[in-house]
Amino acid sequence: DAGVIQSPRHEVTEMGQEVTLRCKPISGHNSLFWYRQTMMRGLELLIYFNNNVPIDDSGMPEDRFSAKMPNASFSTLKIQPSEPRDSAVYFCASSFSRPEAFFGQGTRLTVV
Amino acid sequence: AQSVTQLDSQVPVFEEAPVELRCNYSSSVSVYLFWYVQYPNQGLQLLLKYLSGSTLVKGINGFEAEFNKSQTSFHLRKPSVHISDTAEYFCAVSGSGNTPLVFGKGTRLSVIA
Repeated sequence: DAGVIQSPRHEVTEMGQEVTLRCKPISGHNSLFWYRQTMMRGLELLIYFNNNVPIDDSGMPEDRFSAKMPNASFSTLKIQPSEPRDSAVYFCASSFSRPEAFFGQGTRLTVV
Repeated sequence: AQSVTQLDSQVPVFEEAPVELRCNYSSSVSVYLFWYVQYPNQGLQLLLKYLSGSTLVKGINGFEAEFNKSQTSFHLRKPSVHISDTAEYFCAVSGSGNTPLVFGKGTRLSVIA
């Protein structure tokens, strides 16, 4: 089992640019979660999907953030335009009808 | 709404000493409780979980936790720590399957040789 796969692992971009983070959940899992980790705010839920349908996006900080899950094996988190305060580690996690979730290695985003 | 409070942001402890990392939760419904560990530049790894049954749960790497409903606590313990246990530990709560985990702020465990 390859686990949850995120790409890229590191991303450095200039303010104003579009950033796309990618996630491949564990095969067979039906829930997918996007979290953001910062020193100040800890781990925050941004959005989650059940069966590819967005259920709760109330954690998405602004309209600059959007997430999609076109099929059961792929999801993206897009930031357009990016700002320095978006710098953080973004985690994707997946689960299958169980409360525990399995996390990817994360994408460290730096916006300069 | 659910919330988790980890009472200590940093815990230094000498190698081979016991350690307890404290976690309290708030929830209006039945809960599932978890501890995750994060090593530097890594994702979160499930350490142990309480879903139902015995209130004492054992996890990987010699860790255990006890669910105390009356005190709304789920403290993590290890009788003898190793240098390799140095990491960030997160307590989390969930109300049911397929709902998101709510995390505490984390406790940084530093094991001193």
